[in-house]
Amino acid sequence: DVVMTQTPPSLSVAIGQSVSISCKSSQSLVYSDGKTYLHWLLQSPGRSPKRLIYQVSNLGSGVPDRFSGTGSQKDFTLKISRVEAEDLGVYYCAQTTHFPLTFGSGTKLEIK
Amino acid sequence: QVQLKESGPGLVQPSQTLSLTCTVSGFSLTSYNVHWVRQPPGKGLEWMGRMRYNGDTSYNSALKSRLSISRDTSKNQVFLKMNSLQTDDTGTYYCTRSMSVDYWGQGVMVTVSS
Repeated sequence: DVVMTQTPPSLSVAIGQSVSISCKSSQSLVYSDGKTYLHWLLQSPGRSPKRLIYQVSNLGSGVPDRFSGTGSQKDFTLKISRVEAEDLGVYYCAQTTHFPLTFGSGTKLEIK
Repeated sequence: QVQLKESGPGLVQPSQTLSLTCTVSGFSLTSYNVHWVRQPPGKGLEWMGRMRYNGDTSYNSALKSRLSISRDTSKNQVFLKMNSLQTDDTGTYYCTRSMSVDYWGQGVMVTVSS
């Protein structure tokens, strides 16, 4: 199975600051079609996961452009610029290139 | 618009079988894959299995001996059945669409307890 190593496990940030979350996979996430199926999800408290970023760097529908994703092969980063109160929750990276699909262990974002 | 909604019993006794339904709208099961993902309380996400658009299924090897996924395209429903439930199967069960996990259901909380 592909292991997704996500860091840090938690972050405490003031409104308006920027943060980055790292996700590293144990194998390349490039699929046979040439695309990289690495996605970022946010699970707000008491809610189901919501996809923010798909295929490394594509913003999901309705997702603010304060969110951005970068990376390739095995090393990926989610950046949140100008954090807002509504951004609190747990962020997960997810790979859907290989079976079984696997997820990072999550990064809990708290607002100072 | 695209929606997925899980339903099923909130409480299951140990050793019994869990049956869940994911009812979808806004898209066709013959065009998109649907995955089942679960989350123990306070923990991370675990992929359980997939119903492919063509009817093929794939399962997490850790659950494969206990798990079955099927569908009824006429009712826009995907079913999950898992037998021999234990207390560590307690958690929230989600269905989600496609290789890009673009839409998720609200989840259904399942407690395994006598």
